[in-house]
Amino acid sequence: GENVEQHPSTLSVQEGDSAVIKCTYSDSASNYFPWYKQELGKRPQLIIDIRSNVGEKKDQRIAVTLNKTAKHFSLHITETQPEDSAVYFCAASKTGGGADGLTFGKGTHLIIQP
Amino acid sequence: GAVVSQHPSRVICKSGTSVKIECRSLDFQATTMFWYRQFPKQSLMLMATSNEGSKATYEQGVEKDKFLINHASLTLSTLTVTSAHPEDSSFYICSARARERNQETQYFGPGTRLLVL
Repeated sequence: GENVEQHPSTLSVQEGDSAVIKCTYSDSASNYFPWYKQELGKRPQLIIDIRSNVGEKKDQRIAVTLNKTAKHFSLHITETQPEDSAVYFCAASKTGGGADGLTFGKGTHLIIQP
Repeated sequence: GAVVSQHPSRVICKSGTSVKIECRSLDFQATTMFWYRQFPKQSLMLMATSNEGSKATYEQGVEKDKFLINHASLTLSTLTVTSAHPEDSSFYICSARARERNQETQYFGPGTRLLVL
């Protein structure tokens, strides 16, 4: 089955700096890669996703890049703010996010230092 | 966006009892829902896929007789933890398959925190 590796497990950055979280996946059939933000005790919230037919997607301060050949994808957050502090999970799926469950990475605890 | 609710949000029960958790899609119909489990400071692990009108598909290592899933309508899936034990204490989160802007994705419920004494 699919295996998703996520690094780093903890990331501390100064407010205003950029943060980058990286994930690799094992199944070349995976074609959908969402990123979720989870605050303590709350549900994961979809912040951005990318499908295998594009290499990059951006939404304001958040961007995701995908390298299908290398089987890795990354989350980029620019101009970080205190409210960005949370645990971020990457995930992968083979059916565009609909018919199959998601395989998650282990999460990155992002800490924004004021 | 699509809204998914779960009930109850928190439950404490004695060892050996059964607990039912409901997952509802509030403003859309979901032919497929998913159940995940998340232990403290860990990632979400897929337990099973729930399809309306058919049997659930369980992931390897998840006991179907212990975690009963019923998806009787297009807006409701239930997970029953039978004969719960302390090791079943966890955060159970459902998600529902939704189609927005001609693309499918999953939206998560708020989760149910189960504590078995």
